[in-house]
Amino acid sequence: NAGVTQTPKFQVLKTGQSMTLQCAQDMNHNSMYWYRQDPGMGLRLIYYSASEGTTDKGEVPNGYNVSRLNKREFSLRLESAAPSQTSVYFCASSRGQGVYGYTFGSGTRLTVV
Amino acid sequence: AQKITQTQPGMFVQEKEAVTLDCTYDTSDQSYGLFWYKQPSSGEMIFLIYQGSYDEQNATEGRYSLNFQKARKSANLVISASQLGDSAMYFCAMREGLLSDSWGKLQFGAGTQVVVTP
Repeated sequence: NAGVTQTPKFQVLKTGQSMTLQCAQDMNHNSMYWYRQDPGMGLRLIYYSASEGTTDKGEVPNGYNVSRLNKREFSLRLESAAPSQTSVYFCASSRGQGVYGYTFGSGTRLTVV
Repeated sequence: AQKITQTQPGMFVQEKEAVTLDCTYDTSDQSYGLFWYKQPSSGEMIFLIYQGSYDEQNATEGRYSLNFQKARKSANLVISASQLGDSAMYFCAMREGLLSDSWGKLQFGAGTQVVVTP
């Protein structure tokens, strides 16, 4: 099925470890996004890529890096995980920067101990 | 400043009744889009309904309708004839247009947890 694929679905890290969350979309969308979801706070934007070759910070970028590898793939890296990064992470894509909706991946539940 | 406000953290509704979920938004842009997403306990984000700022008619999608009051900056979701499967977290979100610093980014409210009871 067409859509946004995120891996892994679950991950437990120790404080200080690093990891990369992978995201790929097959809808030929131009824009891709990484959000984190915490209880009572909705979804907050970490980083986004308006188009292939560009990335920009969102609302909560500290502690994260991203790579837009090609039009399909947008990865999120935690260089040194902290307990405050325990969250559910969603990748999303959109046709473009206009008032289009997003298609979301199924999420990654990350726990940092 | 919070751009999307959902004032109801949680609601109970009886099966077959209608429920209204409140959403107010803040923007100075003339062009924007309002979205509602459903997140069941399984965690995925499901798109429900969209309202464009220039749309004159309120959006409807099956049992979902959006009560759009532009002057009041509100975009309430109405779910008619609630079903047990409607139990979920519901998020209101907004994308602003070209004139906004947040152009292209979907901004979310904190969500409303709905529990449908038999």
